[in-house]
Amino acid sequence: SQQGEEDPQALSIQEGENATMNCSYKTSINNLQWYRQNSGRGLVHLILIRSNEREKHSGRLRVTLDTSKKSSSLLITASRAADTASYFCAASGRRALTFGSGTRLQVQP
Amino acid sequence: DTEVTQTPKHLVMGMTNKKSLKCEQHMGHRAMYWYKQKAKKPPELMFVYSYEKLSINESVPSRFSPECPNSSLLNLHLHALQPEDSALYLCASSQVWGLAGDTQYFGPGTRLTVL
Repeated sequence: SQQGEEDPQALSIQEGENATMNCSYKTSINNLQWYRQNSGRGLVHLILIRSNEREKHSGRLRVTLDTSKKSSSLLITASRAADTASYFCAASGRRALTFGSGTRLQVQP
Repeated sequence: DTEVTQTPKHLVMGMTNKKSLKCEQHMGHRAMYWYKQKAKKPPELMFVYSYEKLSINESVPSRFSPECPNSSLLNLHLHALQPEDSALYLCASSQVWGLAGDTQYFGPGTRLTVL
């Protein structure tokens, strides 16, 4: 399987705290994407970081990419209850996206 | 309009039934995808259509038959499914398929239950 791994598998924090999720992948990539999925719903694209970038910001999101370690991290700052969801990284290679195993984030109000 | 629509939202079918899932996008995207997602698992790619031609079939059993009638529509025909095929079926689209690694836009999914 080319599926990547994410850790932690589950994360529970209080509103206002920061949440960090890590992703490792196996193949060479064009870019690394992060998606969010509310329970039983479709995925929503959050942010894309290209293979020649090391860090990217979008609002409360900060993504880093280390291609030498084949790893990425997603930081959500000042979390809100509405951030409760599953978060997936997706490695974009030549053929398709390969999704990581996902992190389930619970933000307690 | 950045919406991908899927119908039906829920589907219950017996193992001898024939049914179809439908997906539509009006963003002018030329790549469309079917994914299968089991509970608490990531989406798994099933098929990729690029410019209405099947480009990837990830060794999906023939009881799943995709169809792309035009650039806006994607169907998934189901026949003689097994209970283990019960899952959330997600459709997605992107501007192109291949080298660019485009952002994909997902529909809300069809929750399929096979009895």
